[in-house]
Amino acid sequence: GGIITQTPKFLIGQEGQKLTLKCQQNFNHDTMYWYRQDSGKGLRLIYYSITENDLQKGDLSEGYDASREKKSSFSLTVTSAQKNEMAVFLCASTGTGVNQAPLFGEGTRLSVL
Amino acid sequence: QQQVRQSPQSLTVWEGETAILNCSYEDSTFDYFPWYRLFPGESPALLIAIRPVSNKKEDGRFTIFFNKREKKLSLHITDSQPGDSATYFCAATEGGSAKLIFGEGTKLTVSS
Repeated sequence: GGIITQTPKFLIGQEGQKLTLKCQQNFNHDTMYWYRQDSGKGLRLIYYSITENDLQKGDLSEGYDASREKKSSFSLTVTSAQKNEMAVFLCASTGTGVNQAPLFGEGTRLSVL
Repeated sequence: QQQVRQSPQSLTVWEGETAILNCSYEDSTFDYFPWYRLFPGESPALLIAIRPVSNKKEDGRFTIFFNKREKKLSLHITDSQPGDSATYFCAATEGGSAKLIFGEGTKLTVSS
């Protein structure tokens, strides 16, 4: 079976720091997503990518960059970490075809001091 | 503007009762509605999904009722168990797009 691996699992950063989160999947899925989960706010879409080198902005893309270097990997960069920021960043992927629900990785938990 | 809305924000039911979680949406082009369940410390997992060609989808104790005209759907969990206690998310995909948008979730607590 396949797996979605997110690294690191925990990330502690400093205010203003540039932070990179990585995601790898071995399902051979075409589409990959980055979501941010905050308590009481559900999952908000940051970026998604439908194929290698493609990037599509979600509703929360400001303050983030993303890169889909190859089909199996999708990275997310927090361009300037905000003080006291705490959130879980979730990577997901799905195959082609109509109406396929994404599978999620285990998340990266970010804390900014 | 929140395109997918869920209510209530939190819900408590007794073991054995039916829990009803509501979801509504704005965009009539949304054409796929998966529900995810999230246990604390874990990642969201697909529970059940429906397309607008159907007005009902059933899988064991979980049933989605869909009203396309009113842009509303609901998830019914019958014979609720303490192990069903989790946060449930309604999501929607824009037609012809891979963009998947989530609601804010309903936190369900099943008391025994």
